[in-house]
Amino acid sequence: LAKTTQPISMDSYEGQEVNITCSHNNIATNDYITWYQQFPSQGPRFIIQGYKTKVTNEVASLFIPADRKSSTLSLPRVSLSDTAVYYCLVVMNTGFQKLVFGTGTRLLVSP
Amino acid sequence: ETGVTQTPRHLVMGMTNKKSLKCEQHLGHNAMYWYKQSAKKPLELMFVYSLEERVENNSVPSRFSPECPNSSHLFLHLHTLQPEDSALYLCASSQDGSTAASPLHFGNGTRLTVT
Repeated sequence: LAKTTQPISMDSYEGQEVNITCSHNNIATNDYITWYQQFPSQGPRFIIQGYKTKVTNEVASLFIPADRKSSTLSLPRVSLSDTAVYYCLVVMNTGFQKLVFGTGTRLLVSP
Repeated sequence: ETGVTQTPRHLVMGMTNKKSLKCEQHLGHNAMYWYKQSAKKPLELMFVYSLEERVENNSVPSRFSPECPNSSHLFLHLHTLQPEDSALYLCASSQDGSTAASPLHFGNGTRLTVT
């Protein structure tokens, strides 16, 4: 499995756009990039997944450059409730999944 | 409502007790997982079941014993635990554990304290 590297923590203010970048230099051809969000004392929640270019849903956007060695999770106009830990994972497209969560990025949104 | 329900939410047990954690998923998924999350540590995968067969056992001590009687239910039986086993135990399920198009759905966990 490709190892991922992301910042340990980020700070933002309400209403700002937040971009969290994840590095995955050893990503394989068939791997997908997946992001989860975790609030305190809750299980992680799937946010978004992509393979290349851009994916957008009602929660976030995911930007993946052509070389796929990194990805950026973009949260538009964050609110206090977006304070959470965000995990970037690389997921194999074949074979049984053994998802390994890193330490994630702790996002703190202030008023 | 996450679709994955874990009980109890909180559990305090002594080192000589025997207890069980329960997980139930209402999503029609075929794979179920146990993860452990200790304070300030990443989630650790403990066990994976696919169609009620254990497919992953991540070198977990034998004082943790999983059971998957059907694809909707997963148990974690605990006995003679140590204080360092205190953690948030998370259950998850996925439609099909073998493809990328099968994200995990987590429950809210059981907060376990071993005294």
